Amino acid sequence: AQSVAQPEDQVNVAEGNPLTVKCTYSVSGNPYLFWYVQYPNRGLQFLLKYITGDNLVKGSYGFEAEFNKSQTSFHLKKPSALVSDSALYFCAVRDYGDYKLSFGAGTTVTVRA
Amino acid sequence: DTGVSQDPRHKITKRGQNVTFRCDPISEHNRLYWYRQTLGQGPEFLTYFQNEAQLEKSRLLSDRFSAERPKGSFSTLEIQRTEQGDSAMYLCASSLGVRNTEAFFGQGTRLTVV
Repeated sequence: AQSVAQPEDQVNVAEGNPLTVKCTYSVSGNPYLFWYVQYPNRGLQFLLKYITGDNLVKGSYGFEAEFNKSQTSFHLKKPSALVSDSALYFCAVRDYGDYKLSFGAGTTVTVRA
Repeated sequence: DTGVSQDPRHKITKRGQNVTFRCDPISEHNRLYWYRQTLGQGPEFLTYFQNEAQLEKSRLLSDRFSAERPKGSFSTLEIQRTEQGDSAMYLCASSLGVRNTEAFFGQGTRLTVV
């Protein structure tokens, strides 16, 4: 079984401040981890993934995420948030031997000017 | 546009009617997935195909739901005898058949059952 928890429904930050969106996961084997962003009335847009290798992965639009195996976490970060980063963010996981994704419930990010 | 395409974008139907959605994946992608997303929740897996073969179906996919992918190209998702609980966003995604690749999602079909 595989699952994802996003403990914060909402994250509010001021523009220019660092942004962190938390994610913890559970899988029986080795995890493949993903972050997606969703804008209103739109599909999911891929941001970044961790498959193997360096624990810090960099993705689109200045986002990065850190894989922490001991804490089973994969937090999304951005050093300096923009108003345009305001959206709904989903963390997802799949087990090494699987192709289907399990998503968290999502975190709404609001960046105020 | 070479992304995943879904049609229609919105569908309003009366309870008890049948509806069919279409998904056109990225052309070189041999895996295709259907997910359902309700308000305030993350997408939930429904089913997936490798080429034309339907390899896995979720328990969420009741007997009223059927999906096809003839010739391994586009896919259709049909819901028979719709119920109000079927109201959701239906998302299609596709990926290469390689383990370390990500799935790309379409913009979804929003179904409202009245």
